[in-house]
Amino acid sequence: SQTIHQWPATLVQPVGSPLSLECTVEGTSNPNLYWYRQAAGRGLQLLFYSVGIGQISSEVPQNLSASRPQDRQFILSSKKLLLSDSGFYLCAWRRGGTSLSTDTQYFGPGTRLTVL
Amino acid sequence: AQKITQTQPGMFVQEKEAVTLDCTYDTSDPSYGLFWYKQPSSGEMIFLIYQGSYDQQNATEGRYSLNFQKARKSANLVISASQLGDSAMYFCAMRLKAAGNKLTFGGGTRVLVKP
Repeated sequence: SQTIHQWPATLVQPVGSPLSLECTVEGTSNPNLYWYRQAAGRGLQLLFYSVGIGQISSEVPQNLSASRPQDRQFILSSKKLLLSDSGFYLCAWRRGGTSLSTDTQYFGPGTRLTVL
Repeated sequence: AQKITQTQPGMFVQEKEAVTLDCTYDTSDPSYGLFWYKQPSSGEMIFLIYQGSYDQQNATEGRYSLNFQKARKSANLVISASQLGDSAMYFCAMRLKAAGNKLTFGGGTRVLVKP
């Protein structure tokens, strides 16, 4: 079976500090990977998605970046955090290699980031 | 652009009763998928149920059923026999084949089940 991991679970960082959040998926190959951010009490906003190693698509302009150094690893980074970067960050995966609209996205446990 | 709307920010439901969560969507793409997710206070997003735009019958998964009205562009979630553990945020989401199969989420509905 497939599992998705995220770490750290919680993070408190000062403004201007760097960020690195990691997401890994087990039990599948060539997944589509996604980073979402959820502000308090709000819905999910798609930040980045990747259909393969080194292939990153950005959905919104921001000071965050994403990388996919390995097939089942997705990293969210920032060189200098802003207060507005606070939120709940969710990684998700979906079976790759198909364009069908039926495939479900499965989410990781999330990272709660607080920027002070 | 595609849009998905959940008009109920929050609602109470009595334990063991049924509750309907509204979701409307807007797209001109004939091929799309509709999803419902549950987000308890722990934060994880739990997949509940899926409905495809070409599906002839409404989807059901245990106590969850989806009232899919294609002409009205609505995909309401019905939870039968509510349990205390059903208290959570519920999100409706849509994926369009034409939009690279990315998910667009509604704003969510918070459900609180009363004993």
